Amino acid sequence: QKEVEQNSGPLSVPEGAIASLNCTYSDRGSQSFFWYRQYSGKSPELIMFIYSNGDKEDGRFTAQLNKASQYVSLLIRDSQPSDSATYLCAVKSITNTGFQKLVFGTGTRLLVSP
Amino acid sequence: NAGVTQTPKFQVLKTGQSMTLQCAQDMNHNSMYWYRQDPGMGLRLIYYSASEGTTDKGEVPNGYNVSRLNKREFSLRLESAAPSQTSVYFCASGDREPNQPQHFGDGTRLSIL
Repeated sequence: QKEVEQNSGPLSVPEGAIASLNCTYSDRGSQSFFWYRQYSGKSPELIMFIYSNGDKEDGRFTAQLNKASQYVSLLIRDSQPSDSATYLCAVKSITNTGFQKLVFGTGTRLLVSP
Repeated sequence: NAGVTQTPKFQVLKTGQSMTLQCAQDMNHNSMYWYRQDPGMGLRLIYYSASEGTTDKGEVPNGYNVSRLNKREFSLRLESAAPSQTSVYFCASGDREPNQPQHFGDGTRLSIL
């Protein structure tokens, strides 16, 4: 089992719709969760992070965390063609040496059609 | 603010050649990281430096060495490049607190023939 799993997609949604991106993780001790957006040929850029159960909203983006189910999601409301990118889920946890490691999923490709 | 700066942006090497990828950050972060990104594999950690003066292996360290020159700079060296090391390399920096993210450089596209 991979440490962080995402559906590779592509997830296709029409402009204006809600895009729902999902991520599961295996380490129950994980402390914080990050969503990065990566455009083709570019570096990952941070969109949001969440570390408490529940929802966290920032503009059109909402991150949702359910630690009991080991599940984190990202909702994008009013999706725009400019949101078309690969979305990486990253999970932070502590190794047995005390190091805070960040483990990435392979990403979900989102396509928003005009 | 430059953030995380990587050089070079592109490089083509022949098998067996060596080279060093440079990374510098101006955010006063303690920790720095080197990742490689390959299609379908996601970002994989090569080496990291939790703080100045320390380095440690990540998930895929074979064929690489690193140097944490000072708090700002963290370099990645390929001593004898192999075609399997063709990839996009990202440097990142961050702090160790749980809610602190990592910030990425623009990447180095490396091709080994």
